[in-house]
Amino acid sequence: DAEITQSPRHKITETGRQVTLACHQTWNHNNMFWYRQDLGHGLRLIHYSYGVQDTNKGEVSDGYSVSRSNTEDLPLTLESAASSQTSVYFCASSPSGTGGTDTQYFGPGTRLTVL
Amino acid sequence: AQSVTQPDIHITVSEGASLELRCNYSYGATPYLFWYVQSPGQGLQLLLKYFSGDTLVQGIKGFEAEFKRSQSSFNLRKPSVHWSDAAEYFCAVGVGGATNKLIFGTGTLLAVQP
Repeated sequence: DAEITQSPRHKITETGRQVTLACHQTWNHNNMFWYRQDLGHGLRLIHYSYGVQDTNKGEVSDGYSVSRSNTEDLPLTLESAASSQTSVYFCASSPSGTGGTDTQYFGPGTRLTVL
Repeated sequence: AQSVTQPDIHITVSEGASLELRCNYSYGATPYLFWYVQSPGQGLQLLLKYFSGDTLVQGIKGFEAEFKRSQSSFNLRKPSVHWSDAAEYFCAVGVGGATNKLIFGTGTLLAVQP
């Protein structure tokens, strides 16, 4: 069955380290998204991509980067981890929209703790 | 600016009772509206969505939602809650037409009493 996976599921790191969170989907969806979930804020969009070599900044992109070298993967990199980036991170994907907004399918999440 | 408001942070209902979770949105054009559910430690699962047509939308697990343009609302309802419905519920609005971006509310945590 097609799916979307994230790894690792849990990560503890230190301030200043570079961290990369993986997201892999097997639906062949063009659109992929990264969100962070924090208490009182719901889900906020970090970065998104509409296809290979395409990346865009979301609402809370500072300190994060993504790259899209193939359809299946959109890794999220924290260049220099900060305690404020302690959060739960969700990856999602959706098919290309044609005049409407398609359903986004979410991965299980990665809980990141920055000490 | 586009936004979604879920005024109830936490709701407790008894098993078998009816449920209504509130959602209000702010968006200038015709909205695309979604309800997602998140069980503890899990990702988000789509319950239902509204794009156009009938304003009463049926979803999975016995949920329904009604789009009311005059009130800018998209409230989620269930006639009889089961203990397994305990979870966090998120309302979202799709913005930007074909760009597929979503703006989420802050969520409502539902507890179900036996």
